[in-house]
Amino acid sequence: SQQGEEDPQALSIQEGENATMNCSYKTSINNLQWYRQNSGRGLVHLILIRSNEREKHSGRLRVTLDTSKKSSSLLITASRAADTASYFCATDAGSNYKLTFGKGTLLTVNP
Amino acid sequence: GAGVSQSPSNKVTEKGKDVELRCDPISGHTALYWYRQSLGQGLEFLIYFQGNSAPDKSGLPSDRFSAERTGGSVSTLTIQRTQQEDSAVYLCASGAFSGVNTGELFFGEGSRLTVL
Repeated sequence: SQQGEEDPQALSIQEGENATMNCSYKTSINNLQWYRQNSGRGLVHLILIRSNEREKHSGRLRVTLDTSKKSSSLLITASRAADTASYFCATDAGSNYKLTFGKGTLLTVNP
Repeated sequence: GAGVSQSPSNKVTEKGKDVELRCDPISGHTALYWYRQSLGQGLEFLIYFQGNSAPDKSGLPSDRFSAERTGGSVSTLTIQRTQQEDSAVYLCASGAFSGVNTGELFFGEGSRLTVL
């Protein structure tokens, strides 16, 4: 079934470093989204990239999409302790509005 | 309210009891999703509503689970004869999209269900 899978499962870095997370999916998509979840809370939308886009920026976030490899990456530059959270990618597929999420990457930014 | 509201925020129940979880989406949002998240896991899709169209129920894990959305707004997820494996956080999300492409989802804080 259509699903995004994030890699790595967990990532620990020092404040100021960059963090890169990857997402792979199985079938063609309309768009791909990244969300953030602080421990035990609801998810917050970060960025959406459409299938005809290759790169998108929002503040310290940079998202790339490679539809030929069915993969996306999320880069967080100059990380802060407050960036500590789980990050999920979500994909849809064709006319199916079922947005499916991966298992997430747990990012820990150490001060 | 300004965001998606879910109630109750926490529910502890005994095995075999029925539970109802409520979601108030953002006003005007036509898309509404329910997801389930077990401890430390990703989100498991349960059901999707879009306007007055028939819902996509393909993610409901068993016939003990059902959901409705009244008047295109408030939604209720009902779990009958709860089992311990139903323990999880149930997340509701709404979105303003209704065309071909999905868009940004706005999530509630979730309802944490514990079945003893």
